[in-house]
Amino acid sequence: GQQVMQIPQYQHVQEGEDFTTYCNSSTTLSNIQWYKQRPGGHPVFLIQLVKSGEVKKQKRLTFQFGEAKKNSSLHITATQTTDVGTYFCAGPQKAAGNKLTFGGGTRVLVKP
Amino acid sequence: DVKVTQSSRYLVKRTGEKVFLECVQDMDHENMFWYRQDPGLGLRLIYFSYDVKMKEKGDIPEGYSVSREKKERFSLILESASTNQTSMYLCASSNGLAGGQDTQYFGPGTRLTVL
Repeated sequence: GQQVMQIPQYQHVQEGEDFTTYCNSSTTLSNIQWYKQRPGGHPVFLIQLVKSGEVKKQKRLTFQFGEAKKNSSLHITATQTTDVGTYFCAGPQKAAGNKLTFGGGTRVLVKP
Repeated sequence: DVKVTQSSRYLVKRTGEKVFLECVQDMDHENMFWYRQDPGLGLRLIYFSYDVKMKEKGDIPEGYSVSREKKERFSLILESASTNQTSMYLCASSNGLAGGQDTQYFGPGTRLTVL
C-alpha cells in the first residue's frame, strides 16, 4: 500500500491567507521531492530536500524536511490564485527498490 | 530543458481494442516510467525501465505491458482495453545517477477513454 501520505487531501484557502500541507513517510527517506500539478497539466518538479531539518524557500513557498527525515511540509504564505493545483510529495522507498513513491497529493483551491 | 512527449493528449478506444501509448524523451535519460492518475488515488506506477530492453512491474501492472527498444522511447500497451482502464496516463523520465531516486520529468499526459 501507499507509504507516503499527504494531508489534507483538499485545502480550500482564502486568497491572501497562509496554509501548510504535510507529507509523512512510514520509513526514513534519503530525500523528499515536491511537485506541482496545475489543473489540466502534468506534475512539475519544484524542489528537493536532502538534509535532516533542511529548509528551502521559493518566493512564498517554504519547504521543510523533518529532523527524522520521515516527514516534510510545504507552507505557502499570502496564497494567490496562481497557487491553485495539486501538490505532491515523493520520496524513495526502500521497500519499492528506492523508486520514488508519490503521496496522494493535496489539492489546493483558492477563493478570491 | 528536458522534454517528454506523449503521442496523444486524448484517445478514445473501444473495449477489447489493443492500445499503444508512446512516450519519447530527449534528454538521454536512463529511467522511464508509466503512471496512471485517477481522482483521489494520486499517481500509481504501472511499469518502469532503467535501461533499454529492461522492464520492471510497478504497483499496478495487471492488464498492461511495456516495450523499450530504444533508450528514448517507452511504450505502454493495453493488450485488450477495458472500461476500468479509462484514466490519465503519465509518462516520466529521470537520469540514471541514483537509480529511481532522481527527479522525474513528466510528459503532458494522455487522457484515455475506453467505451
